[in-house]
Amino acid sequence: DSGVTQTPKHLITATGQRVTLRCSPRSGDLSVYWYQQSLDQGLQFLIHYYNGEERAKGNILERFSAQQFPDLHSELNLSSLELGDSALYFCASSVADGRRQFFGPGTRLTVL
Amino acid sequence: LAKTTQPISMDSYEGQEVNITCSHNNIATNDYITWYQQFPSQGPRFIIQGYKTKVTNEVASLFIPADRKSSTLSLPRVSLSDTAVYYCLVGDVGGYQKVTFGTGTKLQVIP
Repeated sequence: DSGVTQTPKHLITATGQRVTLRCSPRSGDLSVYWYQQSLDQGLQFLIHYYNGEERAKGNILERFSAQQFPDLHSELNLSSLELGDSALYFCASSVADGRRQFFGPGTRLTVL
Repeated sequence: LAKTTQPISMDSYEGQEVNITCSHNNIATNDYITWYQQFPSQGPRFIIQGYKTKVTNEVASLFIPADRKSSTLSLPRVSLSDTAVYYCLVGDVGGYQKVTFGTGTKLQVIP
């Protein structure tokens, strides 16, 4: 158990819909990272937040957005969903320097 | 971040030592080298990290030559449970702000 929690574990929805994925980092970790992993693909970095502020963006679509709240949990919002958005979405957390990331169990999103 | 190159896949028999090499020719002075392991449908798990020479922990060793343009993850006496994808990352200690995992090396351990 990494100490990072993600909810829900599975999510099935339809095209055009909007969903919110939630992540709670390890106690004391200020950084939160979001990744997308499609079937048999590598991990694609989406976005990094540090103590509530956006630090870096990767290949994140405009239909996707994220935020980190004062209690340090983070949410990833995916809107106007397409079939190609079906993937595993991982959240990771780290202490400030990001040297070692601890990953959550992931949320499996299926868009039908 | 420095670009990394790893073999796409490797096979090994149980009980053998496995060495996975990662090339990172444009590694920067402040960059550390980190390896993660990922099982299917699970989040990656940190294995080991180093800056230069050799680092060893309870599960693996990491060898980094003087020029730091490559690194080798060594897994002693692998078992079937070591079948996984192994990722090499190179980045600044101060911020893995844009993280690139790459495609990783798929290790298959054969009985």
